Amino acid sequence: GAGVSQSPSNKVTEKGKDVELRCDPISGHTALYWYRQRLGQGLEFLIYFQGNSAPDKSGLPSDRFSAERTGESVSTLTIQRTQQEDSAVYLCASSLGIITDTQYFGPGTRLTVL
Amino acid sequence: EDKVVQSPLSLVVHEGDTVTLNCSYEVTNFRSLLWYKQEKKAPTFLFMLTSSGIEKKSGRLSSILDKKELFSILNITATQTGDSAIYLCALPNSGNTPLVFGKGTRLSVIA
Repeated sequence: GAGVSQSPSNKVTEKGKDVELRCDPISGHTALYWYRQRLGQGLEFLIYFQGNSAPDKSGLPSDRFSAERTGESVSTLTIQRTQQEDSAVYLCASSLGIITDTQYFGPGTRLTVL
Repeated sequence: EDKVVQSPLSLVVHEGDTVTLNCSYEVTNFRSLLWYKQEKKAPTFLFMLTSSGIEKKSGRLSSILDKKELFSILNITATQTGDSAIYLCALPNSGNTPLVFGKGTRLSVIA
């Protein structure tokens, strides 16, 4: 079946603008995750959803970052007032359940803040 | 705090060589260990290991887990240039993040 999809694949924005990144998980996957990967660095966990709920938002880098999920499906990660340090690849993953289930990653969104 | 350490950080080999990548871990409550291959942007799943001593194999790639010594290895035989990637090891975390990743091993296979 279809894998995890993300849009847009690339986004270039000016400092101070808001951006919205979208993730469509694999159908039937109840858990959804957002990660960030800066150039040359490892994966940084941001937030996960179990159903439509995010049990812990402490991984979000600042209050400019927010995420929501609706219908136990699509999720959006919003970054307000973007800064240059937000430039990174944002990866979304989904899994059938939580914790022990394998996460399958989407292709990512490359965000460049000028 | 749960920890995943991969070695080496980077490796350059010639086509046809065999490589062994290492992942050692410290987790409070072990459930599984995952290997991913990352090319360009997204990691792709390779293996999930839960039991010690049982080799998982897929083509030229294989992996095994040692729960007593707390490590796993990923072997790639007869390497090809297409194997060039970052190989990531990850474990479910007992903290507030679902998975904790190692920093990865960057493998470069040259012709």
